[in-house]
Amino acid sequence: EVQLVESGGGLIQPGGSLRLSCAASEFTVSDNYMAWVRQAPGKGLQWVSVIYSGGDTYYADSVKGRFTISRDNSKNTVYLQMNSLRAGDTAIYYCARRYTITWAFDPWGQGTLVTVSS
Amino acid sequence: QSALTQPASVSASPGQSITISCTGTSSDIGGYDYVSWYQQHPGKAPKLVIYDVNNRPAGISNRFSGSKSGNTASLTISGLQAEDEADFYCSSYSNINILVFGGGTRVTVL
Repeated sequence: EVQLVESGGGLIQPGGSLRLSCAASEFTVSDNYMAWVRQAPGKGLQWVSVIYSGGDTYYADSVKGRFTISRDNSKNTVYLQMNSLRAGDTAIYYCARRYTITWAFDPWGQGTLVTVSS
Repeated sequence: QSALTQPASVSASPGQSITISCTGTSSDIGGYDYVSWYQQHPGKAPKLVIYDVNNRPAGISNRFSGSKSGNTASLTISGLQAEDEADFYCSSYSNINILVFGGGTRVTVL
């Protein structure tokens, strides 16, 4: 079964750094577009970043320059390095795989909660 | 403020049909046939129910259908069932922001 499992969330002080991981099963991350999408408590979905199969990366304006998406092909895992964290970054962070050759994403992982607070 | 505009809530009785609208611009919905819809039950991850405007992934009920006209996309759920009660989000490819989402619509089955 195709599966994504996120980890690495937690409580972090403003200005701090955190690295999220997204481990994939039953498919190869480097053959796919992989995205991170976040959801602040009680709010809607917000796209954060995407890494193409060719390695190109793109970011939402709100995280550009602070977050970095990457992947480790040997571990079949995608990462999101988050620096200079702000209270507004508090959210559940989901990773998701592109669905076929389109701009939809499925499946999604269960999410990992990041709380930025002093 | 979300890039795509959805109504905050829609409600109907079991068996009825509902339609959720999603309005964007020519830079996203109006410019590409890459509109998707996601269903999210409380405490769960989103699930894809429609992609590329009007296509259903395998395993998704044919009670879900999508359409698009100009800068507005729509999701219709026919024969509403109790299990359909959830939040629904539209999304679109954007030539400005890559991927944009709507603010979400809470569907309530009365």
